[in-house]
Amino acid sequence: DGGITQSPKYLFRKEGQNVTLSCEQNLNHDAMYWYRQDPGQGLRLIYYSQIVNDFQKGDIAEGYSVSREKKESFPLTVTSAQKNPTAFYLCASSTGQGLDEQFFGPGTRLTVL
Amino acid sequence: DQQVKQNSPSLSVQEGRISILNCDYTNSMFDYFLWYKKYPAEGPTFLISISSIKDKNEDGRFTVFLNKSAKHLSLHIVPSQPGDSAVYFCAAREYGNKLVFGAGTILRVKS
Repeated sequence: DGGITQSPKYLFRKEGQNVTLSCEQNLNHDAMYWYRQDPGQGLRLIYYSQIVNDFQKGDIAEGYSVSREKKESFPLTVTSAQKNPTAFYLCASSTGQGLDEQFFGPGTRLTVL
Repeated sequence: DQQVKQNSPSLSVQEGRISILNCDYTNSMFDYFLWYKKYPAEGPTFLISISSIKDKNEDGRFTVFLNKSAKHLSLHIVPSQPGDSAVYFCAAREYGNKLVFGAGTILRVKS
């Protein structure tokens, strides 16, 4: 079955630690995205990548970093510079062509203790 | 400054009746609009979309209407079912396939 996987489902970290969230897709999509969802708010774009080895900052990129070394993988690192990292993180992918929708993974809930 | 607004945080509807979820936007450059449905602790799932050159798109029980002059779109669900209870997000596409999301509307369908 084609889809997007995110791991882990729940993640806890201590303040001051970096943590990397995994996102893998086997849909052969060129474009991948990372969003953050906070209670009562919509999804806000952190980073996106339209092709391998290229990525752009979204609306709230500060304190985050990404890489896109493989088409199927787009890991997100939450650094200690991110002031409010506790949130629900969602990864998505799309073909990047025409009027296409983004497909979302199940999400990772990150809690900073 | 929110470019996509869903002004109703929640909506409660009786089973079998129509649910109407509304969305307003400010950016006239948006060319594609989507609705997503989301259950708690899960990723959103795509529901229906509409291009800016159309004013209506229908898929089964779901219909999306677009009024470009008013910068308004709405999602109609008829008949509403208890399984439709979820958070519904409106999204609009800007350059580079970026989506801008509204804050969501919680729909509760009562049986």
